[in-house]
Amino acid sequence: AQTVTQSQPEMSVQEAETVTLSCTYDTSESDYYLFWYKQPPSRQMILVIRQEAYKQQNATENRFSVNFQKAAKSFSLKISDSQLGDAAMYFCAYRSAGYSTLTFGKGTMLLVSP
Amino acid sequence: DTAVSQTPKYLVTQMGNDKSIKCEQNLGHDTMYWYKQDSKKFLKIMFSYNNKELIINETVPNRFSPKSPDKAHLNLHINSLELGDSAVYFCASSQFPSPLHFGNGTRLTVT
Repeated sequence: AQTVTQSQPEMSVQEAETVTLSCTYDTSESDYYLFWYKQPPSRQMILVIRQEAYKQQNATENRFSVNFQKAAKSFSLKISDSQLGDAAMYFCAYRSAGYSTLTFGKGTMLLVSP
Repeated sequence: DTAVSQTPKYLVTQMGNDKSIKCEQNLGHDTMYWYKQDSKKFLKIMFSYNNKELIINETVPNRFSPKSPDKAHLNLHINSLELGDSAVYFCASSQFPSPLHFGNGTRLTVT
């Protein structure tokens, strides 16, 4: 079974700075999808960014980008120009190519200070 | 025009009671899910339905019974509620390989 590990329970960043959240995963598959979801205090689950394993190019969405290292099974999220509204729990998730459910990491709480 | 809606948002009940949580999606997705988020925020799959057929049933007590009357609805019924059932329950839907779309969650508190 696949596992997803987020080794940072909590991270802090100041407004306008850059922060990187770490995620590693364990799989024997070659084709899969990776996601970062954000959960603010409202508890809504919001998709931040996705990456297909067959794509070598790292995904970007505005201030959010990933560093996908397939051989190292690493999928980190970089948030640039951090904003107060970025404060939330961030979950890394894995999905097999032929399997529809997500396996989540335990999450990283991001604190943003003015 | 909420994509995935679940009701109620909050549910407070006593041990031993039976309760239901309803979920509806208007995205036309084939697959729906129930996830449980415990007090430590860990999210774990409970059930998955594809076109009204149960395809995933993780190790969940028999007191939990999902029902899918059609592919737009997936309800969760819980019998004989226990203190340990207190959690946030999320409904989600997807059309593979698109990402999952989540509802806003139902916070269940068992006293």
